[in-house]
Amino acid sequence: GAVVSQHPSWVICKSGTSVKIECRSLDFQATTMFWYRQFPKQSLMLMATSNEGSKATYEQGVEKDKFLINHASLTLSTLTVTSAHPEDSSFYICSARRGSLADYTDTQYFGPGTRLTVL
Amino acid sequence: TQLLEQSPQFLSIQEGENLTVYCNSSSVFSSLQWYRQEPGEGPVLLVTVVTGGEVKKLKRLTFQFGDARKDSSLHITAAQPGDTGLYLCAGAPDSNYQLIWGAGTKLIIKP
Repeated sequence: GAVVSQHPSWVICKSGTSVKIECRSLDFQATTMFWYRQFPKQSLMLMATSNEGSKATYEQGVEKDKFLINHASLTLSTLTVTSAHPEDSSFYICSARRGSLADYTDTQYFGPGTRLTVL
Repeated sequence: TQLLEQSPQFLSIQEGENLTVYCNSSSVFSSLQWYRQEPGEGPVLLVTVVTGGEVKKLKRLTFQFGDARKDSSLHITAAQPGDTGLYLCAGAPDSNYQLIWGAGTKLIIKP
């Protein structure tokens, strides 16, 4: 099976600092990676779609200058939360898929998530 | 905007009982996936259904995709405490692969 890792698994930071979260596909090349945010007891909310070598596509309402996404290689995408504030505290999950966008049946493999707490 | 309505949002039943979770939409999906998520972890894929009317079984779990590919159900037979978790459905629209997520069903199986 395909494995996706995230680092760190949890982070606590002070308000105003920036936090970087890494998402890696360990045994396959991910043409596309997705970043989700999840509030307690709620479903996943897509933040952005990241294609290797190109700019990320952000969902409506997601500030691209605040949530910086870099998909520098086929196995690594990073999400940087800039100038974090307490309202940014959440569970951030990435997923990675291989295959082309035309392959609707291809599976997204999810990372374990990163718990961000901003004090 | 495509929506995927999942119900019930919360279900607490006794061990041994049966239950069904539903995901409904007015839109057609090319495929639909069911995930299970434990607290503090990412979702884990249970099954993908792609053909209208398709039925897939995973031990005591039965997944069905509606004939028109607009709805799906998850049926658990003789639920066990180990089935406790958050169950999420997610559909892939025709136009792209960004998944449309249901709100999730928090399932608690009491021993």
